[in-house]
Amino acid sequence: DQQVKQNSPSLSVQEGRISILNCDYTNSMFDYFLWYKKYPAEGPTFLISISSIKDKNEDGRFTVFLNKSAKHLSLHIVPSQPGDSAVYFCAASARGNTGKLIFGQGTTLQVKP
Amino acid sequence: KAGVTQTPRYLIKTRGQQVTLSCSPISGHRSVSWYQQTPGQGLQFLFEYFSETQRNKGNFPGRFSGRQFSNSRSEMNVSTLELGDSALYLCASSLDTSDYEQYFGPGTRLTVT
Repeated sequence: DQQVKQNSPSLSVQEGRISILNCDYTNSMFDYFLWYKKYPAEGPTFLISISSIKDKNEDGRFTVFLNKSAKHLSLHIVPSQPGDSAVYFCAASARGNTGKLIFGQGTTLQVKP
Repeated sequence: KAGVTQTPRYLIKTRGQQVTLSCSPISGHRSVSWYQQTPGQGLQFLFEYFSETQRNKGNFPGRFSGRQFSNSRSEMNVSTLELGDSALYLCASSLDTSDYEQYFGPGTRLTVT
C-alpha cells in the first residue's frame, strides 16, 4: 500500500514558466510534508516543508500548497530555471514518527532553456 | 557547518558477505535515520536512532541492523548479503525527535555480485 503517491513520473516545462509537481497521500495521520530535490548519485536535498495546520508555505521561488480535505499537496516553482532539472520527491511524516519519512516515487522535472 | 557524511561512498561485495556502512550526522543533530533507495521500490525507511536507541524500524528483514554511538554517529550492518540488497543507502540527520526536517548525506552505493 503506497501511502504517498506522485502520479506523474516526469514533467517538462520551458525556462521561465511555472512548474507544478503534485503529490497525493492516503494516511490521515500524516501531519508534516516535505519536498526534496535529488540529482543522480547524490542524496536528496531538502527544499521546503509544510505543517498540516497550514495550507501554504512560500520560500523564494518555491511554494507548497496543502489541501487536507483532498489529501493533496503541490509544489510550485516560479520561474523555473534549467538548474531546477532534477528528481523531486514528496515525503510525509506523522506525529510521533518524525524520524520516519514516507516518500513518493518521485517526479523527474526537465526545464528546457 | 559540515553536512551529513557517509563512508564509504562506493562498495562492492559478494553474496553471503556482510557490510557495515557509516554515517556522521550534522554537528548538533542527535537523530539519525537510514533509507534504502532502489529503482523498483524507491526510497524506503530502514530505521531511526536517537540517544543510542532504535526508535523506529521499517519493514526490512533482521539481516539489516544498526546502532548509534554516544557522539550520534551511526552505523548500519547488512549480513548475508543478497543480490537484491544492491542499492543506494542514505543516512539523514535531524536535530531531535521533535524535528521533522531531515538532511541527507550523499549515500553509499552498494553493489552485491
